[in-house]
Parts: sequence; structure tokens; C-alpha cells
Amino acid sequence: AQTVTQSQPEMSVQEAETVTLSCTYDTSESDYYLFWYKQPPSRQMILVIRQEAYKQQNATENRFSVNFQKAAKSFSLKISDSQLGDAAMYFCAYRRRKPIQGAQKLVFGQGTRLTINP
Amino acid sequence: DTGVSQNPRHKITKRGQNVTFRCDPISEHNRLYWYRQTLGQGPEFLTYFQNEAQLEKSRLLSDRFSAERPKGSFSTLEIQRTEQGDSAMYLCASSLWGNAGANVLTFGAGSRLTVL
Repeated sequence: AQTVTQSQPEMSVQEAETVTLSCTYDTSESDYYLFWYKQPPSRQMILVIRQEAYKQQNATENRFSVNFQKAAKSFSLKISDSQLGDAAMYFCAYRRRKPIQGAQKLVFGQGTRLTINP
Repeated sequence: DTGVSQNPRHKITKRGQNVTFRCDPISEHNRLYWYRQTLGQGPEFLTYFQNEAQLEKSRLLSDRFSAERPKGSFSTLEIQRTEQGDSAMYLCASSLWGNAGANVLTFGAGSRLTVL
């Protein structure tokens, strides 16, 4: 079974600084997706960034970028120029790409609570 | 479309009572998922529908849980004879599934259940 581990229950960063959230996963599959989701307090979970395992290039979305190390099964999220609105729980998630007909369910890590200090 | 809507947002009930949660997905989405999230943990998969068909259920979904999506639109999750261990956030998500694309899920804000 696939597992996702986030070893940092809490992180804090000064506004405008850069922070990196860690995620490792375990799978025997070679074709999969990795995701970072953001869950603000009492609000819905929002997709931050997505990485396809077959792509060597690291995904970027504005201030958010990932460091995908497939051999090490590591998938960290870097947030540059941190803003107060970035404060939230961040979840790393894994999903098999195949079988396409299957549930394609997400397997989540335990989450990292990110605090932004003004 | 305003996204995935869940109601009620918070339900407090006494042990042994039945509760029902409703999820209205994004209208053009053909897949609907239910996840459960307990305090300090990531969400765990419960079940999913493709249109009106319930195609997979997790072992977490005991016999006291039932989910429906009668017309392939909204879905309900009913918990009978609630137990304190059922206290959690129940998340609904929907997606447009097809042979291409990453089947990205859009989540609702969740329904929080507190069983006293």
C-alpha cells in the first residue's frame, strides 16, 4: 500500500521569506501523480500544485515550486515570498495514475501547519 | 458554478442518532468522492461514485454508513447509530473524469460531525 509521510507537523516563516515543506512517499508504482493541497482554517482544500511522475521537470505555480526527487521518493514544496494568506494546513498527496478505470483515490500525508509571522 | 457545496457545515448529535450529510458537486463533474478527516490527520478515502454508480467503498465505511447519488448529481452520506468515533470532518470532492487529464479533485468545505 502506498503511504505519504510529512515529518513536520508545524512550520513557521517570516512574511516575505521562503519556506520549504517536506514530504516523502512510498510506492512500488512508477506512474503516479503527486499533489500539494492547502487547507485554510474552516475553508475548503485547494490544489496548490501537481507533479506527474513521468516528468523530470519540477512543477512551478507562481510563488510555489516543488523539488521532485523520484529515486529518493521525495516531494518538497517551496513557498517563496511568503504572504499572510499562505497560512494554512498543507497536505501532500499521492495518486496512482493507473488503472485509469479505478477509483484514483488520493492518499494524504498527515499535514503541516504553516504559520506566517508578520 | 460556485464549487462543491456541503451541508450542514456542522452537526452536533447524541450517540445513537442518525445523521445525513449532503454534497452538491460541480454540475458538470461525473465523479464524486467522500473522504473523512479526523483531527490532526489527512483525509482518508471512504467511497466514490461515477455518475450514479457507487464503484468502490473503503473498509472504513462500516455497515452503519451508506452513501447515495440517486440521479448522478448531489450525494448524501448517512451515518446510522452514530458513535463517538464517528466524530470527524466529512469531505466531499468532485472531478471530471475522462481518459485524458489528471482527474483533479475539487473539494468542498466539509461537514463537521460531533457525536456527544
